[in-house]
Amino acid sequence: EIVLTQSPGTLSLSPGERATLSCRASQSITNNYLAWYQQKPGQAPRLLIYGASSRATGIPDRFSGSESGTDFTLTISSLEPEDFAVYYCHQYIESPFTFGPGTKVDIK
Amino acid sequence: QVLLQESGPGLVKPSETLSLTCAVSGYSISSGYYWGWIRQPPGKGLEWIASMHHSGSNYYNPSLKSRTTISVDTSKNELSLKMRSVSAADTAVYYCARGLTAGFDFWGQGTMVTVSS
Repeated sequence: EIVLTQSPGTLSLSPGERATLSCRASQSITNNYLAWYQQKPGQAPRLLIYGASSRATGIPDRFSGSESGTDFTLTISSLEPEDFAVYYCHQYIESPFTFGPGTKVDIK
Repeated sequence: QVLLQESGPGLVKPSETLSLTCAVSGYSISSGYYWGWIRQPPGKGLEWIASMHHSGSNYYNPSLKSRTTISVDTSKNELSLKMRSVSAADTAVYYCARGLTAGFDFWGQGTMVTVSS
């Protein structure tokens, strides 16, 4: 099973600041089959990024994803008030398809 | 717009079978994509349960496979999940979602299931 480790657990930032979220995989993820989701309280997750760096339909360009080996990064270039939420990474290359434990981005 | 709507009993007794349905509108299940179930215990993270293609190809989380069945009904455009011998550890919000090979791109709003006597 591919284990995904996200860091930090919580990120406290102010609107307008840059957010950098990390997701490390326990083994190589072929074809960069990694996605990022945003989840707000009481809502379903929303797909932000797939294929490590492709933005999903309708996702603002302040969200970007990158990859370096088994390390994946989600960057929010300038936080908007609606971006404060929990973010999950997810690998879909190998069953069981696993999620990371999440990073909470909250208001400083 | 693809819409997914889960339905099922909010309360299930321990050792019984949980049955959930996901009605899909705005897209025909038989047109493609995998369709799956993901759950989230209260205050915790996401756990993938199972995914299925209308052609019959399916994947199950090994930790749940022995007591889980996923199915699709293309005539009703619905996805179903049955989970047998439930316990308190199965208490969670259950989501249905479309996709697999490019992430889950459309999700239902989720349905809360509590396992309790």
